[in-house]
Amino acid sequence: DQQVKQNSPSLSVQEGRISILNCDYTNSMFDYFLWYKKYPAEGPTFLISISSIKDKNEDGRFTVFLNKSAKHLSLHIVPSQPGDSAVYFCAVLTSGTYKYIFGTGTRLKVLA
Amino acid sequence: DGGITQSPKYLFRKEGQNVTLSCEQNLNHDAMYWYRQDPGQGLRLIYYSQIVNDFQKGDIAEGYSVSREKKESFPLTVTSAQKNPTAFYLCASSMGWGARANIQYFGAGTRLSVL
Repeated sequence: DQQVKQNSPSLSVQEGRISILNCDYTNSMFDYFLWYKKYPAEGPTFLISISSIKDKNEDGRFTVFLNKSAKHLSLHIVPSQPGDSAVYFCAVLTSGTYKYIFGTGTRLKVLA
Repeated sequence: DGGITQSPKYLFRKEGQNVTLSCEQNLNHDAMYWYRQDPGQGLRLIYYSQIVNDFQKGDIAEGYSVSREKKESFPLTVTSAQKNPTAFYLCASSMGWGARANIQYFGAGTRLSVL
């Protein structure tokens, strides 16, 4: 049973527009949420994170929104750039544990 | 340059053979992890270690073994008991404490194939 779901396997967006990637989770014990970006044949790189005491965190072009009641997390990229084309994974964690759970990823393609 | 080094980049295993994947970090991180990625799937946790000489099984530990004799090193052995070892293997580390404790840093991965 998947505890973390990224229901869109792929997404295409025009350069300069907004990219919105979504992630749903099932367990209310998760209290820390991360987004990673991954290029083919490379390891994921950390993008942005948010703890459950916040509902928004912003870092440059990247903003993560957390809706705890809906158990929903989203990543907004504005404006999208061709270099953003990659697979994006969300990950969740219960603080104090070491067991991260990753979603299946969304492949973002930003069209020039 | 601080980071995580995984070697080799590509590895081939014969039937019945054990192979060991190397993971070294110079980030002074306490915690280290091994994940497996299969096509179209997320990362699944094999083993993790919070501290030297201690490690715990993740969700898919069967057919794998690890050791953590040094803080910097967390090698993964894929044993002959792992019947479907073909996958992309990722090693990660995290501080394990402090404000940025929850951020994992990943190596570039090892792709393992069966001959």
